[in-house]
Amino acid sequence: QLQLQESGPGLVKPSETLSLTCSVSGGSVSSSTSYWGWLRQPPGKGLEWVGSMHYSGSTHFNPSLKSRVTISVDTSKNQLSLKLSSVTAADTAVYYCAKSYFLQPKIDSWGQGTLVTVSS
Amino acid sequence: QSALTQPASVSGSPGQSTTIACTGTSRDVGGYNYVSWFQQHPGKAPKLMIYDVTSRPSGVSNRFSGSKSGNTASLTISGLQAEDEADYYCCSFTSSNTLVFGGGTKLTVL
Repeated sequence: QLQLQESGPGLVKPSETLSLTCSVSGGSVSSSTSYWGWLRQPPGKGLEWVGSMHYSGSTHFNPSLKSRVTISVDTSKNQLSLKLSSVTAADTAVYYCAKSYFLQPKIDSWGQGTLVTVSS
Repeated sequence: QSALTQPASVSGSPGQSTTIACTGTSRDVGGYNYVSWFQQHPGKAPKLMIYDVTSRPSGVSNRFSGSKSGNTASLTISGLQAEDEADYYCCSFTSSNTLVFGGGTKLTVL
């Protein structure tokens, strides 16, 4: 069974870069039918898609975050990563890594989520 | 991109049915049969309940069903049970090759 596990700092200072890693087990990030992505949920608010990537290099981002987001896939480590630059308090959220069937909303595997707080 | 529109809350009694609507545009919900619904209990990761408008993943109860008419997708839950009380989110593929979520609906089982 596919398992995803997020890791990274729980506290980031304003204007700095948020960096998270997602380790994948029970499956391969090199799957041709899978997109690997990140979603987030501010405390008490709804879900927001951040972006998704195929191992071939194809990437798609939320237009509102596109200028600040980098997503990469490391096939040798079976991991994906997220970098979000110039963070503000508005970026405080639970960040989830997830797998979808192609770039479709069939998001069938999720990590448990990790809370990242932006504060000085 | 604008979020899809969902009611903030719905409620129903055990055994009854309830429907949650998700309204978008012809550039998302209305333009593709790529709409999913997710259930989220407090403190938990979302769970896929419906995909491709009407399809149910293995293991999801057949009390959950999806449909679409024009720019509005709907999730119907029949035979409401206490365990169905949760937040529900719709999500659609868009013409910009992105994904967009609805604002979420809190279901209360009375």
